Amino acid sequence: AQKVTQTQTSISVMEKTTVTMDCVYETQDSSYFLFWYKQTASGEIVFLIRQDSYKKENATVGHYSLNFQKPKSSIGLIITATQIEDSAVYFCAMREGSGTYQRFGTGTKLQVVP
Amino acid sequence: DTTVKQNPRYKLARVGKPVNLICSQTMNHDTMYWYQKKPNQAPKLLLFYYDKILNREADTFEKFQSSRPNNSFCSLYIGSAGLEYSAMYLCASSRETGHTQYFGPGTRLLVL
Repeated sequence: AQKVTQTQTSISVMEKTTVTMDCVYETQDSSYFLFWYKQTASGEIVFLIRQDSYKKENATVGHYSLNFQKPKSSIGLIITATQIEDSAVYFCAMREGSGTYQRFGTGTKLQVVP
Repeated sequence: DTTVKQNPRYKLARVGKPVNLICSQTMNHDTMYWYQKKPNQAPKLLLFYYDKILNREADTFEKFQSSRPNNSFCSLYIGSAGLEYSAMYLCASSRETGHTQYFGPGTRLLVL
């Protein structure tokens, strides 16, 4: 069965620094898809970035990038030059290649302070 | 346009009364999902439609119903609300089942 674990409950960083949020997953499938989403203060969830397991290159979108370590079943989200508006809850999710839906982690709350 | 809309945004319901939530998307996505989100918890998938086929999670099978009269609309129906149903209900859609999801703003349901 698929499982997604985010052990960091809350992180606080200074503005303009780089932060990494951890996520580990469990799956028996050789093919799978990994996603990161952001939930804003209003409750809305927004898709950020995605990594397909067969791709060796780490995905990058704007100031978001991923640290995909397949042997460790790990997919970290890196935010560079953090801004106050990056303060939110970040969810990691996985869909197995043979599956039909995404399983979410419990989220990491990020607070960016001036 | 990646807009998913939900109505109402806030809903107050009495215990034992029915609740009907509405979701719409204009992206012609074939899959639509409903999640329940409580504070400090992962979004919990309740059910999803792939085209006209409804898939419900085993532990919520009898608690939630849904309909999808056309590709754009999907509803979530609670026949008899309980206090434990108080949560944020999020609708999402994706072009392919299980792939990148686009979420609506959610409906905050409070059951009293």
